[in-house]
Amino acid sequence: DAKTTQPTSMDCAEGRAANLPCNHSTISGNEYVYWYRQIHSQGPQYIIHGLKNNETNEMASLIITEDRKSSTLILPHATLRDTAVYYCIVSLGPSYGGSQGNLIFGKGTKLSVKP
Amino acid sequence: EPEVTQTPSHQVTQMGQEVILRCVPISNHLYFYWYRQILGQKVEFLVSFYNNEISEKSEIFDDQFSVERPDGSNFTLKIRSTKLEDSAMYFCASPGQEKPLNTEAFFGQGTRLTVV
Repeated sequence: DAKTTQPTSMDCAEGRAANLPCNHSTISGNEYVYWYRQIHSQGPQYIIHGLKNNETNEMASLIITEDRKSSTLILPHATLRDTAVYYCIVSLGPSYGGSQGNLIFGKGTKLSVKP
Repeated sequence: EPEVTQTPSHQVTQMGQEVILRCVPISNHLYFYWYRQILGQKVEFLVSFYNNEISEKSEIFDDQFSVERPDGSNFTLKIRSTKLEDSAMYFCASPGQEKPLNTEAFFGQGTRLTVV
Protein backbone atom coordinates (compact mmCIF):
# COMPACT_ATOMS: atom_id res chain seq x y z
CA ASP A 1 0.00 0.00 0.00
CA ALA A 2 1.17 3.51 -0.84
CA LYS A 3 2.53 5.78 1.83
CA THR A 4 0.80 9.00 2.84
CA THR A 5 2.11 12.28 4.23
CA GLN A 6 -0.01 14.53 6.44
CA PRO A 7 0.75 17.61 8.51
CA THR A 8 1.27 16.80 12.17
CA SER A 9 -1.30 19.27 13.44
CA MET A 10 -3.80 21.91 12.35
CA ASP A 11 -6.11 24.37 14.03
CA CYS A 12 -9.53 25.43 12.86
CA ALA A 13 -12.05 27.92 14.20
CA GLU A 14 -15.42 26.54 15.19
CA GLY A 15 -17.96 26.95 12.40
CA ARG A 16 -15.33 27.33 9.72
CA ALA A 17 -14.36 24.73 7.13
CA ALA A 18 -11.49 22.45 8.06
CA ASN A 19 -9.35 21.43 5.10
CA LEU A 20 -7.02 18.53 5.84
CA PRO A 21 -4.44 17.75 3.14
CA CYS A 22 -2.83 14.42 2.34
CA ASN A 23 -0.08 13.58 -0.11
CA HIS A 24 0.01 10.12 -1.65
CA SER A 25 2.29 10.59 -4.65
CA THR A 26 3.00 6.85 -5.07
CA ILE A 27 -0.65 5.81 -5.19
CA SER A 28 -1.42 3.14 -7.77
CA GLY A 29 -4.37 3.05 -10.13
CA ASN A 30 -6.61 0.76 -8.07
CA GLU A 31 -5.81 2.14 -4.63
CA TYR A 32 -8.57 3.96 -2.80
CA VAL A 33 -8.07 6.91 -0.50
CA TYR A 34 -9.68 6.44 2.92
CA TRP A 35 -10.13 8.86 5.76
CA TYR A 36 -10.65 7.83 9.35
CA ARG A 37 -10.53 9.81 12.56
CA GLN A 38 -9.89 8.95 16.17
CA ILE A 39 -11.34 10.99 18.98
CA HIS A 40 -9.19 10.69 22.08
CA SER A 41 -8.51 6.94 22.46
CA GLN A 42 -11.86 5.90 21.05
CA GLY A 43 -11.98 3.43 18.17
CA PRO A 44 -11.12 4.86 14.75
CA GLN A 45 -14.19 6.13 12.93
CA TYR A 46 -14.64 5.73 9.19
CA ILE A 47 -15.35 9.05 7.44
CA ILE A 48 -15.22 8.66 3.69
CA HIS A 49 -13.33 7.06 0.82
CA GLY A 50 -12.85 7.62 -2.89
CA LEU A 51 -10.98 6.39 -5.94
CA LYS A 52 -10.91 9.15 -8.58
CA ASN A 53 -14.01 11.28 -8.23
CA ASN A 54 -14.76 13.72 -5.47
CA GLU A 55 -17.05 12.28 -2.84
CA THR A 56 -19.43 13.79 -0.30
CA ASN A 57 -21.40 12.31 2.54
CA GLU A 58 -23.09 13.60 5.66
CA MET A 59 -19.78 13.95 7.48
CA ALA A 60 -17.35 15.36 4.96
CA SER A 61 -16.22 15.91 1.39
CA LEU A 62 -13.19 14.32 -0.23
CA ILE A 63 -11.43 16.14 -3.03
CA ILE A 64 -8.92 14.09 -5.01
CA THR A 65 -6.62 15.83 -7.47
CA GLU A 66 -6.77 14.78 -11.09
CA ASP A 67 -3.38 13.07 -10.91
CA ARG A 68 -4.52 11.40 -7.64
CA LYS A 69 -1.26 12.30 -5.93
CA SER A 70 -2.98 14.25 -3.21
CA SER A 71 -6.35 14.74 -1.60
CA THR A 72 -8.13 17.02 0.84
CA LEU A 73 -10.71 16.12 3.43
CA ILE A 74 -13.14 18.96 4.04
CA LEU A 75 -15.27 19.27 7.15
CA PRO A 76 -17.60 22.06 6.01
CA HIS A 77 -18.57 23.48 9.41
CA ALA A 78 -16.18 22.22 12.06
CA THR A 79 -17.47 21.82 15.60
CA LEU A 80 -15.62 21.24 18.86
CA ARG A 81 -16.57 17.57 18.59
CA ASP A 82 -14.53 17.31 15.39
CA THR A 83 -11.34 17.70 17.41
CA ALA A 84 -9.53 14.44 16.67
CA VAL A 85 -6.62 12.81 14.88
CA TYR A 86 -7.45 12.39 11.19
CA TYR A 87 -5.84 9.57 9.23
CA CYS A 88 -5.45 9.43 5.47
CA ILE A 89 -4.89 5.86 4.27
CA VAL A 90 -4.47 4.45 0.78
CA SER A 91 -5.37 0.85 0.28
CA LEU A 92 -5.78 -1.54 -2.61
CA GLY A 93 -8.70 -3.32 -1.00
CA PRO A 94 -9.67 -6.98 -1.30
CA SER A 95 -11.61 -6.61 -4.54
CA TYR A 96 -8.34 -5.85 -6.31
CA GLY A 97 -6.37 -8.57 -4.61
CA GLY A 98 -5.21 -6.34 -1.82
CA SER A 99 -5.28 -6.80 1.88
CA GLN A 100 -8.42 -7.79 3.71
CA GLY A 101 -8.88 -5.42 6.60
CA ASN A 102 -5.24 -4.44 6.99
CA LEU A 103 -5.42 -0.69 7.26
CA ILE A 104 -2.01 0.90 7.71
CA PHE A 105 -2.44 3.86 10.02
CA GLY A 106 0.17 6.60 10.10
CA LYS A 107 0.45 9.33 12.70
CA GLY A 108 -2.30 11.41 11.13
CA THR A 109 -3.14 15.07 11.59
CA LYS A 110 -4.23 16.27 14.99
CA LEU A 111 -7.04 18.74 14.29
CA SER A 112 -7.91 21.14 17.07
CA VAL A 113 -11.17 23.01 16.64
CA LYS A 114 -11.16 26.14 18.76
CA PRO A 115 -14.14 28.23 19.89
CA GLU B 1 -23.63 3.80 12.01
CA PRO B 2 -23.22 0.02 12.38
CA GLU B 3 -22.27 -1.04 15.89
CA VAL B 4 -19.36 -3.18 17.00
CA THR B 5 -19.38 -4.02 20.70
CA GLN B 6 -16.36 -4.90 22.80
CA THR B 7 -16.10 -6.22 26.35
CA PRO B 8 -14.70 -5.52 28.82
CA SER B 9 -13.94 -1.85 28.39
CA HIS B 10 -10.96 -2.14 30.73
CA GLN B 11 -9.06 -5.17 31.98
CA VAL B 12 -6.16 -5.33 34.39
CA THR B 13 -4.16 -8.52 34.53
CA GLN B 14 -1.03 -9.87 36.09
CA MET B 15 1.96 -10.50 33.85
CA GLY B 16 1.96 -14.10 32.65
CA GLN B 17 -1.80 -14.50 32.94
CA GLU B 18 -4.10 -15.29 30.04
CA VAL B 19 -6.67 -12.73 28.93
CA ILE B 20 -9.63 -13.01 26.59
CA LEU B 21 -11.02 -9.95 24.89
CA ARG B 22 -14.47 -10.19 23.38
CA CYS B 23 -16.12 -8.61 20.37
CA VAL B 24 -19.56 -8.72 18.82
CA PRO B 25 -19.15 -7.56 15.23
CA ILE B 26 -21.83 -6.28 12.90
CA SER B 27 -24.55 -8.89 12.57
CA ASN B 28 -24.10 -11.52 9.84
CA HIS B 29 -20.65 -10.30 8.87
CA LEU B 30 -18.18 -13.13 8.55
CA TYR B 31 -15.09 -10.97 8.54
CA PHE B 32 -13.67 -9.22 11.52
CA TYR B 33 -10.36 -7.64 12.39
CA TRP B 34 -8.30 -6.94 15.49
CA TYR B 35 -6.05 -3.93 15.95
CA ARG B 36 -4.12 -2.60 18.88
CA GLN B 37 -2.81 0.81 19.91
CA ILE B 38 -0.09 1.19 22.48
CA LEU B 39 -0.51 4.46 24.36
CA GLY B 40 0.74 7.36 22.28
CA GLN B 41 1.54 5.20 19.27
CA LYS B 42 -0.08 4.27 15.96
CA VAL B 43 -3.03 1.97 15.48
CA GLU B 44 -1.55 -1.36 14.37
CA PHE B 45 -3.20 -4.22 12.50
CA LEU B 46 -3.08 -7.60 14.22
CA VAL B 47 -5.24 -10.06 12.32
CA SER B 48 -8.11 -10.60 9.89
CA PHE B 49 -10.48 -13.49 10.53
CA TYR B 50 -12.92 -14.91 8.02
CA ASN B 51 -15.28 -17.81 8.33
CA ASN B 52 -13.42 -19.43 11.23
CA GLU B 53 -9.97 -18.97 9.75
CA ILE B 54 -7.21 -16.39 9.94
CA SER B 55 -7.00 -14.72 6.53
CA GLU B 56 -4.13 -12.35 7.27
CA LYS B 57 -1.93 -11.51 10.24
CA SER B 58 0.85 -9.11 11.08
CA GLU B 59 4.25 -9.76 12.63
CA ILE B 60 2.83 -8.66 15.96
CA PHE B 61 0.37 -11.56 15.95
CA ASP B 62 2.74 -14.22 17.22
CA ASP B 63 2.11 -17.55 18.96
CA GLN B 64 0.87 -15.96 22.16
CA PHE B 65 -2.15 -14.57 20.30
CA SER B 66 -5.13 -16.52 19.02
CA VAL B 67 -8.57 -15.65 17.67
CA GLU B 68 -11.68 -17.75 17.92
CA ARG B 69 -15.35 -17.68 17.17
CA PRO B 70 -16.78 -19.53 20.17
CA ASP B 71 -20.34 -19.08 18.99
CA GLY B 72 -22.27 -17.58 16.09
CA SER B 73 -22.01 -13.95 17.09
CA ASN B 74 -19.00 -13.56 19.36
CA PHE B 75 -15.33 -13.37 18.48
CA THR B 76 -12.43 -13.43 20.90
CA LEU B 77 -8.79 -12.42 21.00
CA LYS B 78 -6.79 -14.48 23.47
CA ILE B 79 -3.37 -13.52 24.76
CA ARG B 80 -1.88 -16.61 26.37
CA SER B 81 0.82 -15.26 28.63
CA THR B 82 0.63 -11.51 28.89
CA LYS B 83 3.70 -9.32 28.99
CA LEU B 84 4.02 -5.74 30.15
CA GLU B 85 4.38 -4.61 26.54
CA ASP B 86 0.95 -6.06 25.71
CA SER B 87 -0.59 -3.14 27.58
CA ALA B 88 -2.59 -1.31 24.92
CA MET B 89 -6.04 -0.52 23.58
CA TYR B 90 -7.34 -3.43 21.55
CA PHE B 91 -9.94 -2.68 18.88
CA CYS B 92 -12.02 -5.06 16.85
CA ALA B 93 -13.62 -3.98 13.61
CA SER B 94 -16.14 -5.18 11.08
CA PRO B 95 -16.17 -4.35 7.38
CA GLY B 96 -18.94 -2.20 5.99
CA GLN B 97 -20.44 -5.09 4.04
CA GLU B 98 -20.92 -8.83 4.51
CA LYS B 99 -18.49 -9.46 1.64
CA PRO B 100 -16.28 -6.41 1.72
CA LEU B 101 -15.19 -4.91 -1.56
CA ASN B 102 -13.01 -2.28 0.04
CA THR B 103 -11.33 -1.53 3.33
CA GLU B 104 -14.12 0.47 4.95
CA ALA B 105 -14.31 -0.73 8.53
CA PHE B 106 -16.28 0.05 11.67
CA PHE B 107 -14.41 -0.13 14.92
CA GLY B 108 -15.54 -0.91 18.42
CA GLN B 109 -14.75 1.35 21.34
CA GLY B 110 -11.88 -0.83 22.40
CA THR B 111 -10.68 -2.74 25.45
CA ARG B 112 -7.94 -1.09 27.48
CA LEU B 113 -5.64 -3.87 28.64
CA THR B 114 -3.25 -3.07 31.47
CA VAL B 115 -0.64 -5.67 32.36
CA VAL B 116 0.95 -5.21 35.78
